Amino acid sequence: SQQGEEDPQALSIQEGENATMNCSYKTSINNLQWYRQNSGRGLVHLILIRSNEREKHSGRLRVTLDTSKKSSSLLITASRAADTASYFCATYYGNNRLAFGKGNQVVVIP
Amino acid sequence: NAGVTQTPKFQVLKTGQSMTLQCAQDMNHNSMYWYRQDPGMGLRLIYYSASEGTTDKGEVPNGYNVSRLNKREFSLRLESAAPSQTSVYFCASSRADSGSPYEQYFGPGTRLTVT
Repeated sequence: SQQGEEDPQALSIQEGENATMNCSYKTSINNLQWYRQNSGRGLVHLILIRSNEREKHSGRLRVTLDTSKKSSSLLITASRAADTASYFCATYYGNNRLAFGKGNQVVVIP
Repeated sequence: NAGVTQTPKFQVLKTGQSMTLQCAQDMNHNSMYWYRQDPGMGLRLIYYSASEGTTDKGEVPNGYNVSRLNKREFSLRLESAAPSQTSVYFCASSRADSGSPYEQYFGPGTRLTVT
């Protein structure tokens, strides 16, 4: 099965800075999705990028996809304390199933 | 709309006991999923139901059974709990068209401890 792998695993930044995290995957994908998980909560969908897209924006989020390198990055600009969370990438591997990576923990220091 | 709801929120079991985790969604989604989340392991798919009336094994199905009761409800049963099943369990649902994966909506989770 496909598996998203985020890199780095943990990131600590000051409020107002940008946070970048990466995800790599192993096989061809239909789309790649990013989710956020606040402590003790369920995952919340952030953004979906299709395999024929290279970049997508949603508010302060920017996602890029490089299918030749089988990698994606999530950029959060002008981070806020409320962005403190774990971020997961997920790739589709058939029959409406997603494979999730292990997650990036981001701590934004006020 | 409540989205995806799960019961119970917390549960402590003794080894060998059984229990059923309940999940319901009110978004008229076809697909539903059960995941477990362990520290450092990300989410792993236990079972899923691509549509009402069908269920299939995911990555880690051993020790679990599921029932897709109707389009809204998808339950997960532990027949004989083991300490290795201590985890946080998430239910999710998704709209589904053949070959077109959509975002998944997650419930708040059930924190299960097996002693």
